[in-house]
Amino acid sequence: DIQMTQSPSTLSASVGDRVTITCRASQSISSWLAWYQQKPGKAPYLLIYGASSLESGVPSRFSGSGSGTEFTLTISSLQPDDSATYYCQHYNSYPYTFGQGTKLEIK
Amino acid sequence: EVQLVESGGGLVQPGRSLKLSCSASGFTFGDYGVSWFRQAPGKGLEWVGFIASKSYGGTTQYAASVKGRFTFSRDDSKSVAYLQMSSLKTEDTAVYYCTRPYRGIDAHWGQGTLVTVSS
Repeated sequence: DIQMTQSPSTLSASVGDRVTITCRASQSISSWLAWYQQKPGKAPYLLIYGASSLESGVPSRFSGSGSGTEFTLTISSLQPDDSATYYCQHYNSYPYTFGQGTKLEIK
Repeated sequence: EVQLVESGGGLVQPGRSLKLSCSASGFTFGDYGVSWFRQAPGKGLEWVGFIASKSYGGTTQYAASVKGRFTFSRDDSKSVAYLQMSSLKTEDTAVYYCTRPYRGIDAHWGQGTLVTVSS
């Protein structure tokens, strides 16, 4: 199985900050990577697919990059509504696996 | 609008069975596969498996942790997918989500249903 490792596990930043979350795959997954945002008690919400394609309706302050084994999710200017847990997930092959999550707190 | 609604969760004893439903609307259900995910309380997300559309043979894929105990099925005439869970373990306690994947991408999720396995 492909292992996904996210860092950091927790992150605290201020409104307006630029924030980056990293995800590393244990083997190459090309660009078969998605990023999700999840708020407490809610289902995950797709932000990015194909490593860098912004899902329709997602604010443009979110962006994704990378390919192969190294990926990043960037929030260009943090907003209060961005407080959530973020997960990366590969869909290169079954079984799909997720990173352990990054909890983002707003200072 | 694509909508997915899970139901059937609840409290069940270890070793017993439970069947979840995923009711779909807003799209031609038979044209799509259905994926299942779960999230244990306070934990991360876990892929449970997938059932393909009939045009792809209705083939199934299961996570190792549930293979042999969980079974996916679907009734396209009712736009419903099912997750039959048997020999339940305490570690199966989780919120279970169904999704409508497209090209491997899970953009549409249900609200989830909680399954608690406890004596």
